Amino acid sequence: KAGVTQTPRYLIKTRGQQVTLSCSPISGHRSVSWYQQTPGQGLQFLFEYFSETQRNKGNFPGRFSGRQFSNSRSEMNVSTLELGDSALYLCASSGTSGITGELFFGEGSRLTVL
Amino acid sequence: GDSVTQMEGPVTLSEEAFLTINCTYTATGYPSLFWYVQYPGEGLQLLLKATKADDKGSNKGFEATYRKETTSFHLEKGSVQVSDSAVYFCALSDRRTGNQFYFGTGTSLTVIP
Repeated sequence: KAGVTQTPRYLIKTRGQQVTLSCSPISGHRSVSWYQQTPGQGLQFLFEYFSETQRNKGNFPGRFSGRQFSNSRSEMNVSTLELGDSALYLCASSGTSGITGELFFGEGSRLTVL
Repeated sequence: GDSVTQMEGPVTLSEEAFLTINCTYTATGYPSLFWYVQYPGEGLQLLLKATKADDKGSNKGFEATYRKETTSFHLEKGSVQVSDSAVYFCALSDRRTGNQFYFGTGTSLTVIP
């Protein structure tokens, strides 16, 4: 069974640009979550999508957005990039509604903003 | 709001030493508690979990008990191996917020032969 796949794995952008990251969940999983991982802040929740609807959203500015498609694949977009957006962005999928849900993580997309 | 606090690292142990990584949580509801592990160059993966008070999660020789009275979920292993070197994250999720997980900042463990 294929795991969670994130693309691209590495990317470099400059301030002011925008970026789109992609995540393909485990087959059959309908929940996709995004996290930002930095050395100082650890893992911080960005948002979760379930059946194409945003179910939860963390405390990030509106520059961070996402969407989920009918096949459960998800994208997140960051507009007007800032230096502080440099981080590892992790996608996780889950096959349950979250009551005792386990998250399955991808290896992440490492974004560097210059 | 909900949050998780875990002991700062890094932690360095000799092989076969006893390991404890402390984790405490704050939650208004009845969360499920998790330990995730991130091996070098790999993604996070679930190590163990507990879904209600007094439950004990265990896997690969690691154990953690959900203690509601002390709001803790400390990770323990009786005899660590070099292959246990990784970053360990304590986390909680509350059924009311779906799959929104709150993670601790992570504890880096290095086991030396």
